[in-house]
Amino acid sequence: GQSLEQPSEVTAVEGAIVQINCTYQTSGFYGLSWYQQHDGGAPTFLSYNALDGLEETGRFSSFLSRSDSYGYLLLQELQMKDSASYFCAVRSPYNTDKLIFGTGTRLQVFP
Amino acid sequence: DVKVTQSSRYLVKRTGEKVFLECVQDMDHENMFWYRQDPGLGLRLIYFSYDVKMKEKGDIPEGYSVSREKKERFSLILESASTNQTSMYLCASSQLENQETQYFGPGTRLLVL
Repeated sequence: GQSLEQPSEVTAVEGAIVQINCTYQTSGFYGLSWYQQHDGGAPTFLSYNALDGLEETGRFSSFLSRSDSYGYLLLQELQMKDSASYFCAVRSPYNTDKLIFGTGTRLQVFP
Repeated sequence: DVKVTQSSRYLVKRTGEKVFLECVQDMDHENMFWYRQDPGLGLRLIYFSYDVKMKEKGDIPEGYSVSREKKERFSLILESASTNQTSMYLCASSQLENQETQYFGPGTRLLVL
């Protein structure tokens, strides 16, 4: 089977850097995805790491280490609008071959 | 701009009623998904379809059925609504070989009394 663990909540101030971790237990997977969801809104795709290492997209970066069963989303120069829930997700051909989501991390950014 | 729409944002139904939730996408995507989202449980897959008239069960299909008669439309059916089906229901779509990038609708918040 597979499970993904994320911290339930993270707080930070504007301008800071925050890292949201995702640890997973799965017998094999294609890659690690990240989604953002604002309160009352729909999840939106942020990034996908098919390979180990760091992927950077503007203020957001995502990292994957298969050997450590670990990934993270890094948000830099935090803005109030970054307050949202963030979900990691994996898809494994050894399980249902469908995207499995973590329980989400609620990020609160304070002024 | 890509778009996934759901028929209702809010819905109130009574126990035992048959409930239809509709989802339409305009991106010509092969894959369509129905999830439910509950606090502390994240998004859980109910059903999935990769083609017209094709469907596969997700993690929690009990009490639900689906219909995909046209490529752009995927319906979720609650045959006999129960209070434990009170939840946020999210529809999503993706290209066939890129499930990792899913596009979500705004969601339907269903309350079963």
